[in-house]
Amino acid sequence: EADIYQTPRYLVIGTGKKITLECSQTMGHDKMYWYQQDPGMELHLIHYSYGVNSTEKGDLSSESTVSRIRTEHFPLTLESARPSHTSQYLCASSEFDPRPSGNTIYFGEGSWLTVV
Amino acid sequence: KQEVTQIPAALSVPEGENLVLNCSFTDSAIYNLQWFRQDPGKGLTSLLLIQSSQREQTSGRLNASLDKSSGRSTLYIAASQPGDSATYLCAVDPGTYKYIFGTGTRLKVLA
Repeated sequence: EADIYQTPRYLVIGTGKKITLECSQTMGHDKMYWYQQDPGMELHLIHYSYGVNSTEKGDLSSESTVSRIRTEHFPLTLESARPSHTSQYLCASSEFDPRPSGNTIYFGEGSWLTVV
Repeated sequence: KQEVTQIPAALSVPEGENLVLNCSFTDSAIYNLQWFRQDPGKGLTSLLLIQSSQREQTSGRLNASLDKSSGRSTLYIAASQPGDSATYLCAVDPGTYKYIFGTGTRLKVLA
């Protein structure tokens, strides 16, 4: 069973505020991801990490930044939030598993951000 | 550039029907394909993963098939139930561990 946690689940903040979305996993996975999903739309990869001190931007340009200082923790930060950042942010992790069911990607419950 | 498409975008069926959801991808060079379920306002739950060397995977009432050469995967749901109502997404891993997601099929099973 997957153990990946995101906080906060829901956040309403004013324009210009700095926010950090937290993501933690207890499975020891080395790969972690942040996806952005607008309601009813597809998921877009905005950041990923292959391990500690390894972070790269995804296919969708994002003004957010991430860090990976510990294996289990992958926070996402917006230095100055804008209404265009309003969206759902989904954190995920995966680990290569040589079994036939391996390489499953596990998702957290998501963080809904509204910038007013 | 890999593109993943799901048809239909929405589907409404009476309880008990067997149904098929479709997923198409443009580049057959994939490592694996995964099907997910997403309930409103929630994250994604993995349903089935098919490695590129496999043809199908089964879990309970779910069966997923993969035809790499034609760039297609199908998710078969047997004897649908109202609890199956959700959005179903497929995603491909091109070998970089960075999954590319389809647009999803919103399924509603009527009691």
